[in-house]
Amino acid sequence: KAGVTQTPRYLIKTRGQQVTLSCSPISGHRSVSWYQQTPGQGLQFLFEYFSETQRNKGNFPGRFSGRQFSNSRSEMNVSTLELGDSALYLCASEVGTSGRTGNEQFFGPGTRLTVL
Amino acid sequence: AQSVAQPEDQVNVAEGNPLTVKCTYSVSGNPYLFWYVQYPNRGLQFLLKYITGDNLVKGSYGFEAEFNKSQTSFHLKKPSALVSDSALYFCAVRDRAKSSGDKLTFGTGTRLAVRP
Repeated sequence: KAGVTQTPRYLIKTRGQQVTLSCSPISGHRSVSWYQQTPGQGLQFLFEYFSETQRNKGNFPGRFSGRQFSNSRSEMNVSTLELGDSALYLCASEVGTSGRTGNEQFFGPGTRLTVL
Repeated sequence: AQSVAQPEDQVNVAEGNPLTVKCTYSVSGNPYLFWYVQYPNRGLQFLLKYITGDNLVKGSYGFEAEFNKSQTSFHLKKPSALVSDSALYFCAVRDRAKSSGDKLTFGTGTRLAVRP
């Protein structure tokens, strides 16, 4: 099975612009989570989507949004970029069920976003 | 709220020696526990997990972890370290309690350096 893929791998934007990142989960996985990784804050949970619905949300401002399509592919969008948004954005997929499980998440390689 | 603590920013060990990377957690209910490893410029790779049953869990690349409920710990261990084990290690917890949802909470990471 192909792993989790993320596009683009690298992105350079300027303050005030917006950006859309894409994530394709492992085939058959219905849950997609997004994380922001920075040296100072570590891994911060952004949101999780399951069956096209946002199931969990972290403590990020409304500039950060996401969605999931019927084929489980997911996108996240950051509007009005700030310098502090520079980070590695990781997507993770999971088999996912409607209940709570001990399934592990599988991570993509990430998108490195640099905001100038 | 659930949380994970990795008290050591860095662990140094000589090749061939045993290694331990520490992790303690806090959840309101019973936990699902995970270890992930991250190599430079890569996403996180799943190593092992504790769901239920035997407190000693064996995972990939010769790693194992011991769940200790009384000490709320889930330390990662390996009997003989390799230089190639040098990477960033993350412990994560998911609370089974209904009120906490499915969010996976990560520790701040521990950098393992194995010297030849």
